[in-house]
Amino acid sequence: DAKTTQPNSMESNEEEPVHLPCNHSTISGTDYIHWYRQLPSQGPEYVIHGLTSNVNNRMASLAIAEDRKSSTLILHRATLRDAAVYYCILRDVVPGTYKYIFGTGTRLKVLA
Amino acid sequence: ETGVTQSPTHLIKTRGQQVTLRCSSQSGHNTVSWYQQALGQGPQFIFQYYREEENGRGNFPPRFSGLQFPNYSSELNVNALELDDSALYLCASSQPPGLVPDTQYFGPGTRLTVL
Repeated sequence: DAKTTQPNSMESNEEEPVHLPCNHSTISGTDYIHWYRQLPSQGPEYVIHGLTSNVNNRMASLAIAEDRKSSTLILHRATLRDAAVYYCILRDVVPGTYKYIFGTGTRLKVLA
Repeated sequence: ETGVTQSPTHLIKTRGQQVTLRCSSQSGHNTVSWYQQALGQGPQFIFQYYREEENGRGNFPPRFSGLQFPNYSSELNVNALELDDSALYLCASSQPPGLVPDTQYFGPGTRLTVL
Protein backbone atom coordinates (compact mmCIF):
# COMPACT_ATOMS: atom_id res chain seq x y z
CA ASP A 1 0.00 0.00 0.00
CA ALA A 2 1.21 3.48 -0.77
CA LYS A 3 2.08 5.51 2.31
CA THR A 4 2.18 9.17 3.15
CA THR A 5 4.26 11.00 5.73
CA GLN A 6 3.17 14.25 7.31
CA PRO A 7 4.39 16.32 10.27
CA ASN A 8 2.39 15.60 13.40
CA SER A 9 1.52 19.22 14.05
CA MET A 10 1.93 22.76 12.77
CA GLU A 11 0.99 26.21 13.97
CA SER A 12 0.01 29.29 12.05
CA ASN A 13 -1.11 32.79 12.84
CA GLU A 14 -4.55 33.83 11.75
CA GLU A 15 -4.75 35.37 8.27
CA GLU A 16 -1.30 34.13 7.31
CA PRO A 17 -0.63 31.47 4.65
CA VAL A 18 -0.07 27.89 5.74
CA HIS A 19 1.92 25.27 3.83
CA LEU A 20 1.19 21.70 4.87
CA PRO A 21 3.70 19.21 3.42
CA CYS A 22 3.21 15.56 2.55
CA ASN A 23 5.73 12.98 1.36
CA HIS A 24 4.59 10.04 -0.73
CA SER A 25 7.74 8.56 -2.19
CA THR A 26 6.08 5.24 -3.15
CA ILE A 27 3.32 6.84 -5.19
CA SER A 28 2.41 5.01 -8.38
CA GLY A 29 1.71 6.63 -11.70
CA THR A 30 -2.05 6.41 -11.41
CA ASP A 31 -2.47 7.39 -7.76
CA TYR A 32 -4.38 10.58 -7.16
CA ILE A 33 -3.35 12.76 -4.23
CA HIS A 34 -6.29 13.75 -2.08
CA TRP A 35 -6.45 16.03 0.93
CA TYR A 36 -9.13 15.85 3.55
CA ARG A 37 -9.48 17.61 6.86
CA GLN A 38 -11.22 16.61 10.04
CA LEU A 39 -12.59 19.27 12.32
CA PRO A 40 -13.15 18.38 15.98
CA SER A 41 -16.04 15.96 16.51
CA GLN A 42 -16.75 15.65 12.79
CA GLY A 43 -16.06 13.23 9.98
CA PRO A 44 -13.35 14.09 7.45
CA GLU A 45 -14.29 16.52 4.67
CA TYR A 46 -12.84 16.81 1.19
CA VAL A 47 -10.44 19.67 0.56
CA ILE A 48 -8.76 19.16 -2.81
CA HIS A 49 -7.21 16.54 -5.08
CA GLY A 50 -4.75 16.38 -7.96
CA LEU A 51 -2.72 14.07 -10.17
CA THR A 52 0.24 15.93 -11.68
CA SER A 53 -0.55 19.61 -12.06
CA ASN A 54 -1.07 22.20 -9.35
CA VAL A 55 -4.72 22.69 -8.47
CA ASN A 56 -6.73 25.52 -6.97
CA ASN A 57 -10.22 25.65 -5.53
CA ARG A 58 -12.14 27.91 -3.20
CA MET A 59 -10.72 26.21 -0.11
CA ALA A 60 -7.05 25.74 -0.92
CA SER A 61 -4.30 25.13 -3.45
CA LEU A 62 -2.37 21.94 -4.04
CA ALA A 63 1.22 22.07 -5.24
CA ILE A 64 2.57 18.76 -6.55
CA ALA A 65 6.29 18.15 -7.02
CA GLU A 66 7.45 17.34 -10.51
CA ASP A 67 8.43 13.80 -9.48
CA ARG A 68 5.12 13.50 -7.57
CA LYS A 69 6.91 12.21 -4.50
CA SER A 70 5.68 15.09 -2.40
CA SER A 71 2.92 17.65 -2.33
CA THR A 72 1.95 20.73 -0.34
CA LEU A 73 -1.50 21.91 0.67
CA ILE A 74 -1.64 25.68 0.79
CA LEU A 75 -4.21 27.61 2.80
CA HIS A 76 -3.82 31.16 1.59
CA ARG A 77 -5.22 32.90 4.70
CA ALA A 78 -5.69 30.69 7.72
CA THR A 79 -8.73 31.33 9.88
CA LEU A 80 -9.63 29.92 13.27
CA ARG A 81 -12.12 27.65 11.49
CA ASP A 82 -9.23 26.01 9.63
CA ALA A 83 -7.95 24.42 12.85
CA ALA A 84 -8.24 20.71 12.10
CA VAL A 85 -6.32 17.54 11.33
CA TYR A 86 -5.30 17.53 7.67
CA TYR A 87 -4.84 14.20 5.92
CA CYS A 88 -2.88 13.61 2.76
CA ILE A 89 -4.19 10.48 1.07
CA LEU A 90 -3.21 8.39 -1.90
CA ARG A 91 -6.08 6.62 -3.53
CA ASP A 92 -5.02 2.98 -3.68
CA VAL A 93 -6.42 1.65 -6.91
CA VAL A 94 -6.62 -2.13 -7.06
CA PRO A 95 -8.90 -3.63 -9.71
CA GLY A 96 -12.36 -3.71 -8.20
CA THR A 97 -11.29 -2.05 -5.00
CA TYR A 98 -11.01 1.63 -4.31
CA LYS A 99 -9.91 2.41 -0.81
CA TYR A 100 -8.47 5.49 0.80
CA ILE A 101 -5.37 4.98 2.95
CA PHE A 102 -5.22 7.65 5.61
CA GLY A 103 -1.92 8.56 7.26
CA THR A 104 -1.52 10.09 10.68
CA GLY A 105 -2.35 13.58 9.51
CA THR A 106 -1.10 17.02 10.57
CA ARG A 107 -2.88 18.80 13.39
CA LEU A 108 -3.04 22.47 12.44
CA LYS A 109 -3.36 25.00 15.22
CA VAL A 110 -4.32 28.54 14.23
CA LEU A 111 -3.38 31.29 16.63
CA ALA A 112 -5.53 34.41 16.92
CA GLU B 1 -29.28 17.50 -0.94
CA THR B 2 -29.18 15.23 2.11
CA GLY B 3 -25.77 14.49 3.57
CA VAL B 4 -24.49 11.26 5.07
CA THR B 5 -26.16 10.34 8.32
CA GLN B 6 -25.17 7.72 10.87
CA SER B 7 -26.91 6.18 13.83
CA PRO B 8 -26.59 5.91 16.70
CA THR B 9 -24.30 8.76 17.68
CA HIS B 10 -22.88 6.97 20.69
CA LEU B 11 -23.03 3.38 21.85
CA ILE B 12 -21.71 1.47 24.84
CA LYS B 13 -21.36 -2.31 24.71
CA THR B 14 -19.61 -4.97 26.73
CA ARG B 15 -16.96 -7.37 25.52
CA GLY B 16 -18.40 -10.32 23.60
CA GLN B 17 -21.57 -8.55 22.52
CA GLN B 18 -22.61 -7.76 18.98
CA VAL B 19 -23.33 -4.32 17.53
CA THR B 20 -24.97 -2.92 14.39
CA LEU B 21 -24.21 0.55 13.10
CA ARG B 22 -26.23 2.24 10.37
CA CYS B 23 -25.47 4.68 7.60
CA SER B 24 -27.59 6.52 5.06
CA SER B 25 -25.67 7.63 2.00
CA GLN B 26 -25.82 11.04 0.39
CA SER B 27 -28.46 11.47 -2.28
CA GLY B 28 -27.25 10.13 -5.63
CA HIS B 29 -24.43 8.03 -4.16
CA ASN B 30 -24.52 4.25 -4.50
CA THR B 31 -21.19 3.38 -2.88
CA VAL B 32 -20.58 3.21 0.85
CA SER B 33 -17.27 2.77 2.65
CA TRP B 34 -16.73 2.12 6.35
CA TYR B 35 -13.75 3.23 8.42
CA GLN B 36 -12.57 2.69 11.98
CA GLN B 37 -10.83 5.59 13.69
CA ALA B 38 -9.08 4.90 16.97
CA LEU B 39 -8.37 7.82 19.25
CA GLY B 40 -5.54 9.95 17.87
CA GLN B 41 -5.24 7.91 14.69
CA GLY B 42 -6.34 8.36 11.10
CA PRO B 43 -9.33 6.42 9.79
CA GLN B 44 -8.63 2.83 8.76
CA PHE B 45 -10.55 1.34 5.83
CA ILE B 46 -12.78 -1.58 6.81
CA PHE B 47 -14.68 -2.33 3.58
CA GLN B 48 -16.68 -0.83 0.76
CA TYR B 49 -20.08 -1.76 -0.63
CA TYR B 50 -21.24 -1.15 -4.18
CA ARG B 51 -24.44 -2.51 -5.69
CA GLU B 52 -25.16 -4.38 -2.47
CA GLU B 53 -21.90 -6.35 -2.64
CA GLU B 54 -18.61 -6.03 -0.83
CA ASN B 55 -16.19 -4.28 -3.19
CA GLY B 56 -12.98 -4.46 -1.21
CA ARG B 57 -11.84 -5.02 2.34
CA GLY B 58 -9.09 -3.78 4.60
CA ASN B 59 -7.21 -5.75 7.24
CA PHE B 60 -10.15 -6.50 9.49
CA PRO B 61 -11.26 -9.95 10.71
CA PRO B 62 -14.46 -11.65 9.48
CA ARG B 63 -16.34 -10.66 12.62
CA PHE B 64 -16.61 -7.26 10.93
CA SER B 65 -19.32 -7.65 8.31
CA GLY B 66 -21.67 -5.41 6.42
CA LEU B 67 -24.71 -5.05 4.26
CA GLN B 68 -25.92 -2.60 1.68
CA PHE B 69 -29.60 -2.24 0.90
CA PRO B 70 -31.37 -1.38 -2.38
CA ASN B 71 -31.72 2.24 -1.23
CA TYR B 72 -27.89 2.29 -0.81
CA SER B 73 -28.01 2.60 2.95
CA SER B 74 -25.63 0.32 4.80
CA GLU B 75 -24.98 -1.49 8.05
CA LEU B 76 -21.77 -2.42 9.78
CA ASN B 77 -21.99 -5.41 12.10
CA VAL B 78 -19.33 -6.36 14.58
CA ASN B 79 -19.56 -9.66 16.46
CA ALA B 80 -17.73 -10.78 19.58
CA LEU B 81 -16.73 -7.26 20.53
CA GLU B 82 -13.25 -6.72 21.92
CA LEU B 83 -11.93 -3.82 23.95
CA ASP B 84 -9.81 -2.68 20.98
CA ASP B 85 -12.97 -2.22 18.92
CA SER B 86 -13.62 0.96 20.87
CA ALA B 87 -13.37 3.68 18.23
CA LEU B 88 -15.19 6.16 16.05
CA TYR B 89 -16.81 4.36 13.12
CA LEU B 90 -17.16 6.49 10.02
CA CYS B 91 -19.29 5.91 6.99
CA ALA B 92 -18.55 7.60 3.67
CA SER B 93 -20.62 7.63 0.51
CA SER B 94 -19.41 8.29 -3.00
CA GLN B 95 -20.17 7.85 -6.67
CA PRO B 96 -19.50 4.43 -8.27
CA PRO B 97 -15.92 3.13 -7.95
CA GLY B 98 -13.74 4.14 -10.84
CA LEU B 99 -15.16 7.59 -11.39
CA VAL B 100 -12.68 10.41 -10.87
CA PRO B 101 -12.75 12.18 -8.57
CA ASP B 102 -14.26 9.64 -6.25
CA THR B 103 -14.72 12.17 -3.52
CA GLN B 104 -15.93 10.56 -0.34
CA TYR B 105 -18.49 12.32 1.81
CA PHE B 106 -18.25 11.32 5.45
CA GLY B 107 -20.89 11.15 8.10
CA PRO B 108 -20.30 12.39 11.66
CA GLY B 109 -19.51 8.89 12.91
CA THR B 110 -20.70 6.57 15.65
CA ARG B 111 -18.61 6.51 18.82
CA LEU B 112 -18.48 2.91 20.09
CA THR B 113 -17.17 2.16 23.57
CA VAL B 114 -16.55 -1.45 24.56
CA LEU B 115 -16.27 -2.12 28.29
